[in-house]
Amino acid sequence: AQSVTQLGSHVSVSEGALVLLRCNYSSSVPPYLFWYVQYPNQGLQLLLKYTSAATLVKGINGFEAEFKKSETSFHLTKPSAHMSDAAEYFCAVSDQNAGNMLTFGGGTRLMVKP
Amino acid sequence: KAGVTQTPRYLIKTRGQQVTLSCSPISGHRSVSWYQQTPGQGLQFLFEYFSETQRNKGNFPGRFSGRQFSNSRSEMNVSTLELGDSALYLCASNQGPGANVLTFGAGSRLTVL
Repeated sequence: AQSVTQLGSHVSVSEGALVLLRCNYSSSVPPYLFWYVQYPNQGLQLLLKYTSAATLVKGINGFEAEFKKSETSFHLTKPSAHMSDAAEYFCAVSDQNAGNMLTFGGGTRLMVKP
Repeated sequence: KAGVTQTPRYLIKTRGQQVTLSCSPISGHRSVSWYQQTPGQGLQFLFEYFSETQRNKGNFPGRFSGRQFSNSRSEMNVSTLELGDSALYLCASNQGPGANVLTFGAGSRLTVL
Protein backbone atom coordinates (compact mmCIF):
# COMPACT_ATOMS: atom_id res chain seq x y z
CA ALA A 1 0.00 0.00 0.00
CA GLN A 2 1.15 3.50 -0.71
CA SER A 3 1.48 6.17 1.92
CA VAL A 4 2.56 9.79 2.09
CA THR A 5 3.94 11.62 5.12
CA GLN A 6 4.18 15.38 5.27
CA LEU A 7 6.39 16.52 8.12
CA GLY A 8 4.92 19.52 9.87
CA SER A 9 1.22 20.26 9.70
CA HIS A 10 2.00 23.98 10.02
CA VAL A 11 4.99 25.87 8.66
CA SER A 12 5.56 29.58 9.20
CA VAL A 13 8.05 31.66 7.22
CA SER A 14 8.71 35.35 6.77
CA GLU A 15 8.00 37.02 3.46
CA GLY A 16 11.07 36.66 1.26
CA ALA A 17 12.38 33.60 3.12
CA LEU A 18 12.92 30.12 1.73
CA VAL A 19 9.91 27.81 1.73
CA LEU A 20 10.59 24.12 2.37
CA LEU A 21 7.70 21.69 2.70
CA ARG A 22 8.64 18.07 3.30
CA CYS A 23 7.09 14.99 1.74
CA ASN A 24 8.14 11.36 2.09
CA TYR A 25 6.36 8.53 0.35
CA SER A 26 6.29 4.79 0.29
CA SER A 27 5.42 2.91 -2.84
CA SER A 28 6.17 -0.59 -4.04
CA VAL A 29 6.42 0.53 -7.66
CA PRO A 30 7.85 3.62 -9.35
CA PRO A 31 5.44 6.34 -8.36
CA TYR A 32 3.92 9.41 -9.82
CA LEU A 33 4.24 12.27 -7.34
CA PHE A 34 2.30 15.50 -7.13
CA TRP A 35 2.06 18.69 -5.12
CA TYR A 36 -1.30 20.43 -4.92
CA VAL A 37 -2.22 23.72 -3.25
CA GLN A 38 -5.59 24.56 -1.71
CA TYR A 39 -6.74 28.08 -0.95
CA PRO A 40 -9.65 28.65 1.45
CA ASN A 41 -13.01 27.53 0.11
CA GLN A 42 -11.46 26.26 -3.09
CA GLY A 43 -10.51 22.94 -4.63
CA LEU A 44 -7.00 21.68 -5.25
CA GLN A 45 -4.73 23.25 -7.83
CA LEU A 46 -1.79 21.33 -9.28
CA LEU A 47 1.59 22.92 -8.53
CA LEU A 48 3.81 20.31 -10.15
CA LYS A 49 4.18 16.62 -10.92
CA TYR A 50 6.91 14.00 -11.21
CA THR A 51 6.29 11.20 -13.68
CA SER A 52 9.74 9.58 -14.03
CA ALA A 53 11.33 12.16 -16.29
CA ALA A 54 13.66 14.81 -14.80
CA THR A 55 14.13 14.48 -11.05
CA LEU A 56 14.02 18.24 -10.51
CA VAL A 57 10.56 19.43 -11.39
CA LYS A 58 9.58 23.05 -11.84
CA GLY A 59 6.03 24.10 -11.22
CA ILE A 60 3.88 27.18 -11.18
CA ASN A 61 4.35 30.26 -9.01
CA GLY A 62 8.10 29.65 -8.61
CA PHE A 63 7.80 26.32 -6.81
CA GLU A 64 9.97 23.32 -7.54
CA ALA A 65 10.49 19.84 -6.10
CA GLU A 66 13.22 17.24 -6.32
CA PHE A 67 12.53 13.52 -6.49
CA LYS A 68 15.12 11.60 -4.45
CA LYS A 69 14.57 7.88 -4.79
CA SER A 70 17.22 6.96 -2.20
CA GLU A 71 15.46 9.10 0.40
CA THR A 72 11.90 8.39 -0.89
CA SER A 73 11.35 12.14 -0.71
CA PHE A 74 9.73 14.79 -2.86
CA HIS A 75 10.21 18.04 -0.93
CA LEU A 76 8.69 21.28 -2.24
CA THR A 77 10.72 24.48 -2.23
CA LYS A 78 10.42 28.10 -3.23
CA PRO A 79 13.38 30.50 -2.86
CA SER A 80 11.38 33.50 -1.70
CA ALA A 81 7.97 33.35 -0.02
CA HIS A 82 5.23 35.76 -0.96
CA MET A 83 2.17 36.61 1.10
CA SER A 84 0.00 35.04 -1.60
CA ASP A 85 1.68 31.66 -0.97
CA ALA A 86 -0.22 31.27 2.30
CA ALA A 87 -2.38 28.18 1.74
CA GLU A 88 -2.50 24.46 2.45
CA TYR A 89 -0.20 22.21 0.46
CA PHE A 90 -0.74 18.54 -0.23
CA CYS A 91 1.70 15.95 -1.48
CA ALA A 92 0.18 12.97 -3.30
CA VAL A 93 1.34 9.72 -4.83
CA SER A 94 -0.12 7.29 -7.30
CA ASP A 95 1.38 4.31 -9.03
CA GLN A 96 1.31 3.96 -12.77
CA ASN A 97 -1.39 1.31 -12.66
CA ALA A 98 -3.71 3.04 -10.20
CA GLY A 99 -5.52 5.26 -12.63
CA ASN A 100 -6.63 8.39 -10.90
CA MET A 101 -6.49 7.00 -7.37
CA LEU A 102 -4.23 9.37 -5.47
CA THR A 103 -3.02 8.86 -1.92
CA PHE A 104 -2.59 12.22 -0.19
CA GLY A 105 -0.47 13.32 2.72
CA GLY A 106 -2.06 15.08 5.65
CA GLY A 107 -1.29 18.52 4.32
CA THR A 108 0.92 21.38 5.48
CA ARG A 109 -0.54 24.79 6.17
CA LEU A 110 1.93 27.47 5.13
CA MET A 111 1.74 30.82 6.90
CA VAL A 112 3.71 33.79 5.58
CA LYS A 113 4.54 36.60 7.99
CA PRO A 114 5.04 40.15 6.70
CA LYS B 1 -12.75 26.66 -21.12
CA ALA B 2 -14.96 25.98 -18.14
CA GLY B 3 -13.45 24.09 -15.22
CA VAL B 4 -14.89 21.25 -13.18
CA THR B 5 -18.30 22.32 -11.88
CA GLN B 6 -19.76 20.90 -8.70
CA THR B 7 -23.26 21.48 -7.41
CA PRO B 8 -24.48 22.31 -4.90
CA ARG B 9 -21.58 24.16 -3.28
CA TYR B 10 -23.07 24.01 0.19
CA LEU B 11 -25.80 21.91 1.72
CA ILE B 12 -27.11 20.94 5.12
CA LYS B 13 -28.80 17.63 5.83
CA THR B 14 -29.90 15.76 8.92
CA ARG B 15 -28.89 12.30 10.04
CA GLY B 16 -30.64 9.51 8.17
CA GLN B 17 -31.30 11.56 5.06
CA GLN B 18 -29.62 10.96 1.74
CA VAL B 19 -27.78 13.37 -0.53
CA THR B 20 -26.82 13.51 -4.18
CA LEU B 21 -23.89 15.60 -5.40
CA SER B 22 -23.24 16.44 -9.03
CA CYS B 23 -20.05 16.97 -10.99
CA SER B 24 -19.64 18.23 -14.55
CA PRO B 25 -16.11 17.57 -15.84
CA ILE B 26 -14.10 19.74 -18.18
CA SER B 27 -15.33 19.38 -21.74
CA GLY B 28 -13.59 16.41 -23.34
CA HIS B 29 -12.65 14.80 -20.05
CA ARG B 30 -14.05 11.30 -19.71
CA SER B 31 -12.71 10.33 -16.29
CA VAL B 32 -14.22 11.59 -13.04
CA SER B 33 -12.89 10.89 -9.57
CA TRP B 34 -14.37 11.73 -6.18
CA TYR B 35 -12.53 12.50 -2.96
CA GLN B 36 -13.72 13.21 0.59
CA GLN B 37 -11.87 15.82 2.66
CA THR B 38 -12.31 16.00 6.44
CA PRO B 39 -10.19 17.60 9.15
CA GLY B 40 -9.67 14.23 10.82
CA GLN B 41 -9.06 11.88 7.92
CA GLY B 42 -7.72 14.32 5.34
CA LEU B 43 -8.22 13.63 1.65
CA GLN B 44 -9.48 10.15 0.85
CA PHE B 45 -10.28 8.59 -2.51
CA LEU B 46 -13.90 7.55 -2.96
CA PHE B 47 -14.22 6.25 -6.52
CA GLU B 48 -13.26 6.79 -10.14
CA TYR B 49 -15.40 6.50 -13.24
CA PHE B 50 -14.38 6.26 -16.88
CA SER B 51 -16.79 5.77 -19.76
CA GLU B 52 -19.66 5.11 -17.33
CA THR B 53 -17.76 2.29 -15.59
CA GLN B 54 -16.37 2.38 -12.07
CA ARG B 55 -12.64 1.68 -12.34
CA ASN B 56 -11.54 2.01 -8.75
CA LYS B 57 -13.25 2.28 -5.38
CA GLY B 58 -11.85 3.47 -2.09
CA ASN B 59 -12.44 2.02 1.34
CA PHE B 60 -15.86 3.48 2.08
CA PRO B 61 -19.08 1.74 3.14
CA GLY B 62 -21.76 0.82 0.65
CA ARG B 63 -23.76 3.90 1.66
CA PHE B 64 -21.45 5.79 -0.70
CA SER B 65 -22.21 5.20 -4.35
CA GLY B 66 -21.73 6.94 -7.63
CA ARG B 67 -22.44 6.79 -11.30
CA GLN B 68 -21.38 8.40 -14.54
CA PHE B 69 -23.57 9.33 -17.44
CA SER B 70 -22.89 9.12 -21.17
CA ASN B 71 -21.99 12.83 -21.26
CA SER B 72 -19.30 12.12 -18.58
CA ARG B 73 -21.19 14.00 -15.86
CA SER B 74 -21.08 12.16 -12.58
CA GLU B 75 -23.14 12.00 -9.43
CA MET B 76 -22.36 10.58 -6.05
CA ASN B 77 -24.93 9.58 -3.49
CA VAL B 78 -24.66 9.07 0.23
CA SER B 79 -27.57 7.32 1.91
CA THR B 80 -28.48 7.18 5.60
CA LEU B 81 -26.27 10.13 6.44
CA GLU B 82 -24.17 10.08 9.60
CA LEU B 83 -22.59 13.01 11.41
CA GLY B 84 -19.18 11.78 10.26
CA ASP B 85 -20.17 12.25 6.63
CA SER B 86 -19.82 16.01 7.09
CA ALA B 87 -17.03 16.89 4.70
CA LEU B 88 -15.92 18.67 1.59
CA TYR B 89 -16.54 16.38 -1.37
CA LEU B 90 -14.19 17.08 -4.26
CA CYS B 91 -14.63 15.97 -7.82
CA ALA B 92 -11.77 15.85 -10.30
CA SER B 93 -11.53 15.06 -13.98
CA ASN B 94 -9.04 14.26 -16.71
CA GLN B 95 -8.97 12.72 -20.14
CA GLY B 96 -8.76 9.18 -18.81
CA PRO B 97 -6.53 6.60 -17.13
CA GLY B 98 -2.89 7.36 -17.72
CA ALA B 99 -3.47 11.08 -18.08
CA ASN B 100 -2.35 11.25 -14.43
CA VAL B 101 -3.07 14.94 -13.79
CA LEU B 102 -6.40 15.72 -12.18
CA THR B 103 -8.23 19.03 -12.34
CA PHE B 104 -10.34 19.56 -9.24
CA GLY B 105 -13.60 21.38 -8.75
CA ALA B 106 -14.26 23.72 -5.83
CA GLY B 107 -16.13 21.04 -3.94
CA SER B 108 -19.49 20.50 -2.29
CA ARG B 109 -19.48 21.16 1.43
CA LEU B 110 -21.90 18.86 3.21
CA THR B 111 -22.93 19.45 6.81
CA VAL B 112 -24.87 16.71 8.57
CA LEU B 113 -26.78 17.77 11.69
